[in-house]
Amino acid sequence: NAGVMQNPRHLVRRRGQEARLRCSPMKGHSHVYWYRQLPEEGLKFMVYLQKENIIDESGMPKERFSAEFPKEGPSILRIQQVVRGDSAAYFCASSPPGWELFFGEGSRLTVL
Amino acid sequence: AQTVTQSQPEMSVQEAETVTLSCTYDTSESDYYLFWYKQPPSRQMILVIRQEAYKQQNATENRFSVNFQKAAKSFSLKISDSQLGDAAMYFCASLSGSARQLTFGSGTQLTVLP
Repeated sequence: NAGVMQNPRHLVRRRGQEARLRCSPMKGHSHVYWYRQLPEEGLKFMVYLQKENIIDESGMPKERFSAEFPKEGPSILRIQQVVRGDSAAYFCASSPPGWELFFGEGSRLTVL
Repeated sequence: AQTVTQSQPEMSVQEAETVTLSCTYDTSESDYYLFWYKQPPSRQMILVIRQEAYKQQNATENRFSVNFQKAAKSFSLKISDSQLGDAAMYFCASLSGSARQLTFGSGTQLTVLP
């Protein structure tokens, strides 16, 4: 059973470009979460999704950030018009209906 | 809202010795879970140990054990017989039963000295 798969592992963007990060949950997991880790900090919750539904987006910045988990395909975290402050590691996690979260290896975004 | 505090930014331990990492939390929930995650240089988040708040017995996983003091809202991690591979950043985290958000502490960087 493959783990949570995130890609790309590393992404470099210039200011003003768009960043798209993808996450494929573990087989059988219907819950997906995105977390952001700024340098020298712990992970901060961004959004919690189930198939085709955003359940909790209380940690998402109000502008430029969006997330989706379509019926088919991976979950996507999209950041429009990136700024240097968006540089961080973005972690995806998935879970079954229970409470244990399984994390991917993260996607590191660098904004030049 | 939940908060998690790790007051030790850095700790070191001699190989084969025992070390304890501290964590305190605050929550208004009665149903919650507590976790310790390890983040090595590869940055993968690895679950080390978990504790359900309703369980009085402290969780143990091989060389890792916790001291869960519910009244004091304390959740420390003890690593026995430390190994070089234990060197990593360790994060304490809480998850409430009602909201599926993990709240992380700021981490403790553990160095294991040969």
